[in-house]
Amino acid sequence: SQQGEEDPQALSIQEGENATMNCSYKTSINNLQWYRQNSGRGLVHLILIRSNEREKHSGRLRVTLDTSKKSSSLLITASRAADTASYFCATDAGPGGGFKTIFGAGTRLFVKA
Amino acid sequence: EAQVTQNPRYLITVTGKKLTVTCSQNMNHEYMSWYRQDPGLGLRQIYYSMNVEVTDKGDVPEGYKVSRKEKRNFPLILESPSPNQTSLYFCASSLLNDDFSYEQYFGPGTRLTVT
Repeated sequence: SQQGEEDPQALSIQEGENATMNCSYKTSINNLQWYRQNSGRGLVHLILIRSNEREKHSGRLRVTLDTSKKSSSLLITASRAADTASYFCATDAGPGGGFKTIFGAGTRLFVKA
Repeated sequence: EAQVTQNPRYLITVTGKKLTVTCSQNMNHEYMSWYRQDPGLGLRQIYYSMNVEVTDKGDVPEGYKVSRKEKRNFPLILESPSPNQTSLYFCASSLLNDDFSYEQYFGPGTRLTVT
């Protein structure tokens, strides 16, 4: 079963603009993570936000988590052409959920130079 | 260099011919996992392992087997591959933090085609 749903499926912006991607999930989580994938390569971990956190920053990345709405957003500020990639959210339910990881279908971001 | 390696990277095989995709990590990670990625479906977890001799099913385990005899290795076995197992496969590993969170490191992927 696919828990994470990402929105939009694809996003095209100009370099320097901000990009916002959203993720919704269905069940209780322990953590939510965001990953980046460049064109069929392995995923790279970007940021982890725990269920008791509401916001987290890492460089140009800002992640928010709203557990009441079961949703998260990833904001990339001042985007660069090198940010062109697919972005995935992933959730895990921790010990109570057997440590399964569930990924969303991803958002494809294209940043035009 | 800390890494997750997978072999082979590309494989074309025929229906029913048993195959193994190897996965190895050099970071002493407890958690290892296999995923398949298909267009429009994101990544779906096949099996995962919390430690040696501890494995559990993910969302799509049918047609696959795994074993975890050593901490560093987590091979994926397809006893009788079928065309619907044509996919891009990723192995991942991570340390398990004290609060049970984990951040996964991914291998480069294995592109499998079953004809």
